Amino acid sequence: GAGVSQTPSNKVTEKGKYVELRCDPISGHTALYWYRQSLGQGPEFLIYFQGTGAADDSGLPNDRFFAVRPEGSVSTLKIQRTERGDSAVYLCASSDGGVDTQYFGPGTRLTVL
Amino acid sequence: AQTVTQSQPEMSVQEAETVTLSCTYDTSESNYYLFWYKQPPSRQMILVIRQEAYKQQNATENRFSVNFQKAAKSFSLKISDSQLGDTAMYFCASGAGNNRKLIWGLGTSLAVNP
Repeated sequence: GAGVSQTPSNKVTEKGKYVELRCDPISGHTALYWYRQSLGQGPEFLIYFQGTGAADDSGLPNDRFFAVRPEGSVSTLKIQRTERGDSAVYLCASSDGGVDTQYFGPGTRLTVL
Repeated sequence: AQTVTQSQPEMSVQEAETVTLSCTYDTSESNYYLFWYKQPPSRQMILVIRQEAYKQQNATENRFSVNFQKAAKSFSLKISDSQLGDTAMYFCASGAGNNRKLIWGLGTSLAVNP
């Protein structure tokens, strides 16, 4: 079946703008995760959804970051008033619940000028 | 808190030879899982192998195997018969039973040379 998809693949924006990053998980996967990967680093956890609710949002760096998953499938990560330090690859993963293997999408590379 | 440490920023190996990538971790959880993921230049994070901490037997997946030393909190990845397509960043990650997020190391860049 289809894997995790993320759009856009690349996003260039200007400092202060608002961006939305989309993740479409594997069909039937109840858990969805967002990670941020800065250059030369491993991924850093942002938020985890179980169904429609955010079960753990402890990784969101500040209140400019927000994520939703209104129907328990597609998720959108929203970043307000972007800053140059937000530049990174944003990875989305999904799993079939539990501590199951997380399957990743190709990521969105965000560049804030 | 969980931590994952990969002390080898870069490694290289000749095609068809064997290479071992190191990973150590620390966790206070009794029920946890360990993973090796591969990230080629395409950015896609691909699962290589997974180990449940409660299992004593080391996981194997074809040419990939782990040496899981629970007491030493060590989880190394052995790649046998290395292929050019194995060239990638390799990340070690840890997840706990009641905490779904994965904690990641900094990665090891592996180059397989012809």
